[in-house]
Amino acid sequence: SQTIHQWPATLVQPVGSPLSLECTVEGTSNPNLYWYRQAAGRGLQLLFYSVGIGQISSEVPQNLSASRPQDRQFILSSKKLLLSDSGFYLCAWSVLGTGVGYTFGSGTRLTVV
Amino acid sequence: GNSVTQMEGPVTLSEEAFLTINCTYTATGYPSLFWYVQYPGEGLQLLLKATKADDKGSNKGFEATYRKETTSFHLEKGSVQVSDSAVYFCALSAISSGSARQLTFGSGTQLTVLP
Repeated sequence: SQTIHQWPATLVQPVGSPLSLECTVEGTSNPNLYWYRQAAGRGLQLLFYSVGIGQISSEVPQNLSASRPQDRQFILSSKKLLLSDSGFYLCAWSVLGTGVGYTFGSGTRLTVV
Repeated sequence: GNSVTQMEGPVTLSEEAFLTINCTYTATGYPSLFWYVQYPGEGLQLLLKATKADDKGSNKGFEATYRKETTSFHLEKGSVQVSDSAVYFCALSAISSGSARQLTFGSGTQLTVLP
């Protein structure tokens, strides 16, 4: 069966420090991968999506970047965190054309202090 | 572009009350529609879906019908439980650039059920 792993679950980082959040998928090949952010009390915002290795599309210009070094690995990064980067980050995967929606990871709660 | 408008919360109900959370959408073509649920401190889980007009998605006592004429996908449950307390997201799925089927989410509705 397919599973998605996201870590760490919680993270507290100082302003100006780097960030690396990792997401891996098991049990499927060539998934579409997504990073979403959920700010406190707000809805979901799509940050990046990827249709294949090395292919990254950015939805919102910002302080973050994403990379896909392997088929089932998706990484969210920042060189210098801002206070406004605080939020709940969710990784998700889907398979094109199946119509079954997305499968989400359990999320990472990032607090920038 | 695609958009989802969701009933604003928070919604507070007593146990066994009837629940409706309204959701309307704007999309080109024929999107698939979804309801996701997020329990406290967790990621999103798919609750139910409908892929074409007049389809009814159902799961755990929740139902939603894909109404093309009113562009709606309202979530209903006849008798809510305390364990239903969560944030509910309406979403639509449509092809976008890059051949990646993307979900567009509503803003979420916080539901609290009191015993």
